[in-house]
Amino acid sequence: AQKVTQAQTEISVVEKEDVTLDCVYETRDTTYYLFWYKQPPSGELVFLIRRNSFDEQNEISGRYSWNFQKSTSSFNFTITASQVVDSAVYFCALSESEAGKSTFGDGTTLTVKP
Amino acid sequence: DGGITQSPKYLFRKEGQNVTLSCEQNLNHDAMYWYRQDPGQGLRLIYYSQIVNDFQKGDIAEGYSVSREKKESFPLTVTSAQKNPTAFYLCASSKVKGRQSPLHFGNGTRLTVT
Repeated sequence: AQKVTQAQTEISVVEKEDVTLDCVYETRDTTYYLFWYKQPPSGELVFLIRRNSFDEQNEISGRYSWNFQKSTSSFNFTITASQVVDSAVYFCALSESEAGKSTFGDGTTLTVKP
Repeated sequence: DGGITQSPKYLFRKEGQNVTLSCEQNLNHDAMYWYRQDPGQGLRLIYYSQIVNDFQKGDIAEGYSVSREKKESFPLTVTSAQKNPTAFYLCASSKVKGRQSPLHFGNGTRLTVT
């Protein structure tokens, strides 16, 4: 069975600090996809990034970067120079079935203080 | 702009009443999903549909029902059989069925049953 663990329930940082959100997953499949979503206070989850199990290349997009390591089953997300607008709940998700069903972690609530 | 519309944003019902949550998308997406979110928890899948007139149970389908008569619409009925219906309900869609497709979410409906 697939499982996603986000061990950090809440993180609080001061603006301009770097912050890393951890995600560890479990799956028996060799083909799967990993996602990160952001849920601001408005409630709507917004898709941030997708990674497939065959692509371990790390990615940087502006202040965001992702580190995917199959050897440790981790897909961590780093925000550089955090801003108040980054305050949200961040979810890591795993999709391994052809039906497109995703398993979500419990989320990490990030608070960035000015 | 294309997107997913969930209505109403807040819904209050008395215990023992059925209630239907609306979800409409104009993204021309094939697959649609209903998730439930409880405080401090991740999203749990209730039902999903990959094609019109077809749908499958997710992980927590008991006490819920759905229909998919049109591609754009995927309403969720919370029946009186659902033992703990108070929660935040999120509707999502994806362009195609399959593990690679990211989910697009609506703004959610917060249901309170007393």
